[in-house]
Amino acid sequence: ETGVTQTPRHLVMGMTNKKSLKCEQHLGHNAMYWYKQSAKKPLELMFVYNFKEQTENNSVPSRFSPECPNSSHLFLHLHTLQPEDSALYLCASSWNRDGELFFGEGSRLTVL
Amino acid sequence: AQSVTQLDSQVPVFEEAPVELRCNYSSSVSVYLFWYVQYPNQGLQLLLKYLSGSTLVESINGFEAEFNKSQTSFHLRKPSVHISDTAEYFCAVSDPGPKSYSGGGADGLTFGKGTHLIIQP
Repeated sequence: ETGVTQTPRHLVMGMTNKKSLKCEQHLGHNAMYWYKQSAKKPLELMFVYNFKEQTENNSVPSRFSPECPNSSHLFLHLHTLQPEDSALYLCASSWNRDGELFFGEGSRLTVL
Repeated sequence: AQSVTQLDSQVPVFEEAPVELRCNYSSSVSVYLFWYVQYPNQGLQLLLKYLSGSTLVESINGFEAEFNKSQTSFHLRKPSVHISDTAEYFCAVSDPGPKSYSGGGADGLTFGKGTHLIIQP
């Protein structure tokens, strides 16, 4: 139990589907993150939310749309994805200014 | 922007042998440094971190890492590995400088590509 819960753990979708990934943290943190993990590549930071406000968007395509309704919940809305978007999507949260991240177990996305 | 280099994508080692996983970072200013471990089908878990003070930091399961500012390195070592240490290991760095917002939180970590540690019986 890491304190960060992601659902679903696995998702298969077609390129025309719309789906959402959900993340919930039970640690009282004020910052939440989406990372993308692809094979043979470093983890890519996609979005950062501090106090529910987005503070970083690393040029992520608009087919990925984040939503952070409160400091405990984070969503990643997906639509018209491409096969190259297949990856493990990791949610994380943090509080301490040292930057330590607490990760969920990830949502494995396959785009057909 | 900072970068992290893990030169070895894969390190095979025999059980009970010592191992070193290398990590170098680009920044010459103060940084915080982390090692994370990822077991199959799981998220990343913090193994150990360096914030300040002693340059040698240890984890509860026998790993240690030494911060070397002059070489901008943070190599991970274990004197005797076990089969259960088979996993992906990620080095990461964060910038401890002033943030653009108040309160807690951070700007996220910059990760290396990871090193797959393979323990052979």
